[in-house]
Order: sequence, then structure tokens, then C-alpha cells
Amino acid sequence: EAGVAQSPRYKIIEKRQSVAFWCNPISGHATLYWYQQILGQGPKLLIQFQNNGVVDDSQLPKDRFSAERLKGVDSTLKIQPAKLEDSAVYLCASSLDPAWTGGIFGQGTRLTVV
Amino acid sequence: AQSVSQHNHHVILSEAASLELGCNYSYGGTVNLFWYVQYPGQHLQLLLKYFSGDPLVKGIKGFEAEFIKSKFSFNLRKPSVQWSDTAEYFCAVNTAGTASKLTFGTGTRLQVTL
Repeated sequence: EAGVAQSPRYKIIEKRQSVAFWCNPISGHATLYWYQQILGQGPKLLIQFQNNGVVDDSQLPKDRFSAERLKGVDSTLKIQPAKLEDSAVYLCASSLDPAWTGGIFGQGTRLTVV
Repeated sequence: AQSVSQHNHHVILSEAASLELGCNYSYGGTVNLFWYVQYPGQHLQLLLKYFSGDPLVKGIKGFEAEFIKSKFSFNLRKPSVQWSDTAEYFCAVNTAGTASKLTFGTGTRLQVTL
């Protein structure tokens, strides 16, 4: 089966600039997740969507991060303005159900903020 | 809220040596447990998972893990590692049956030498 598609693979921006990441989940997967993985740490959930609704965004820094999944399929994560500490890999994952019994991860977007 | 501890941050083994990576979680309820592997330059892949039943779980590539409820542990084992097992390994947990987020440990980097 096709995997979770993410783009771009790499992005370098200056602090205070904005950036957007795109994710296309596996077809039919209703649940979509965005994770942030800082170097040396495990992935941390930023936001979870069920179709086009937000299930959990408790760890999303809402003053600068936003995400949408307007049609319940692909999703965009935006950072505006970026800070140095936002340098990380941003992982998208999708799952058939919200209980994560078999989620699949994308390859991620590596963001470097300079 | 649940948390996951992986005490081994970096493990170096010779090929054919046996492997055991520790994982302890903190949560008083019923949990689902997972081990993920991330090979250099690749995305997170599921090695194995435990939801219920036999506490000894077998996964791909000869890996297995044992759930010991009394110790809140889910250690990963492999009898004989190969050079190709060089990767980062993440333990993760979520609460069973709900739309709960997957919480990851900080990861263990395994380096297998020839």
C-alpha cells in the first residue's frame, strides 16, 4: 500500500519566517497526526485530527503553530513566525481509527531554523 | 498522563550478541504498548505491539518483547543482533480503547559492530 506522503523533505528558514508542511495520509485513514521530533528526543504529538475535526491539540503552541485538514484528507501544518527551537523533524502519521491500533508514519520534514 | 522511560540511550553491541532494551511506562490503567524502529534516513516503522493476551509478543525481524504488568515494563529483546539492526528504537504507549495520543520514550540508539 502507498505510504504517508510528506513534503518537503527538508526546509531551512531564518527565524521569524513562516513555513508550511504538507501531509497526505493513507487512503481511507480517518485519523491524522502531526508529531514534532527534536533531535535526541522521541516524537511528541502536536495535533490529532479525526476526519476534519481536531481531537487533541493540547501540545500545539497555538501562538505560532496552526494546522488544518479542511476536507478530511490531506493536512497542512504551519509555523509563523518560526523560532530557533522549532528546528526538528515534523512527522505526519495516519491511522484507520483514533485508538492507534495500526498507525503509519511518513518520512517527515526536517526543519532547520537559523 | 502516561510517560515512558528508556534508560539505555546508546547501546553498542557486536554482531551475534544478544539484545535487551529496557522500557518502563507510568500509567495506572490499561495500556497498549509499542516498539518502533527508525533506520538511518528512514521513517518510523512498527516492530511489534501489545494490546492484550499473551504477554510475550513476537514482531518482525526476530524481535520480541515481554509485557510485565507488575513491573510496568515492556522490554525489547533479540537473541542475536545483526549489523543491519543498527537504528534508533522507540518504546511508546497509549491508553487502551480511547482516542489517546501515543507517548514515546526518548529512544535508544543501537550500534552493531562487525
